[in-house]
Amino acid sequence: DAGVIQSPRHEVTEMGQEVTLRCKPISGHNSLFWYRQTMMRGLELLIYFNNNVPIDDSGMPEDRFSAKMPNASFSTLKIQPSEPRDSAVYFCASSLVTSNSPLHFGNGTRLTVT
Amino acid sequence: AQSVTQLGSHVSVSEGALVLLRCNYSSSVPPYLFWYVQYPNQGLQLLLKYTTGATLVKGINGFEAEFKKSETSFHLTKPSAHMSDAAEYFCAVSLAGNQFYFGTGTSLTVIP
Repeated sequence: DAGVIQSPRHEVTEMGQEVTLRCKPISGHNSLFWYRQTMMRGLELLIYFNNNVPIDDSGMPEDRFSAKMPNASFSTLKIQPSEPRDSAVYFCASSLVTSNSPLHFGNGTRLTVT
Repeated sequence: AQSVTQLGSHVSVSEGALVLLRCNYSSSVPPYLFWYVQYPNQGLQLLLKYTTGATLVKGINGFEAEFKKSETSFHLTKPSAHMSDAAEYFCAVSLAGNQFYFGTGTSLTVIP
């Protein structure tokens, strides 16, 4: 089991640039979550999908953020245009669609926007 | 409304001492409860979970937690701290519809 795979591990970009973060969930998992972690705000849920369908995107900060899940094995989180306040660690997690199924996290993408 | 409260954002213990990290939750329905650990530059890893059955749950690395419904608590303990236990610990609640709520985390420091 390779676990949840995120890429890139680190991303440094300039303000105004487009950033795309990628996630491959664990095979067989049908729920996928995007979280953002900062010192100030802790762990925040941005969006989650069940069976490739977005269920709750109320945590997406603003229209600059978008997420897609075109198939069961791939998801992207895009920020366009990026701003310095978007600097954070972004985590992807997957699970089965049952309440007692734990989340399995990737190692995150550390995004720095200068 | 559902929420998770972790009392103490920073906890320090001596090596070999008892570790106690506190978690209280509020939920209108019976929740499923989890503890996660996060080491530097890594994602969150599952330590243990409570779903149903025995209220004392054992996890990895010698940790355990007890679900106390009357106190709406799920405190994490370990009898003897090791240096390798230094990390950030998160309590989480899961409800129907796969909705997860995380606490704000507790940073554990182990003093040699």
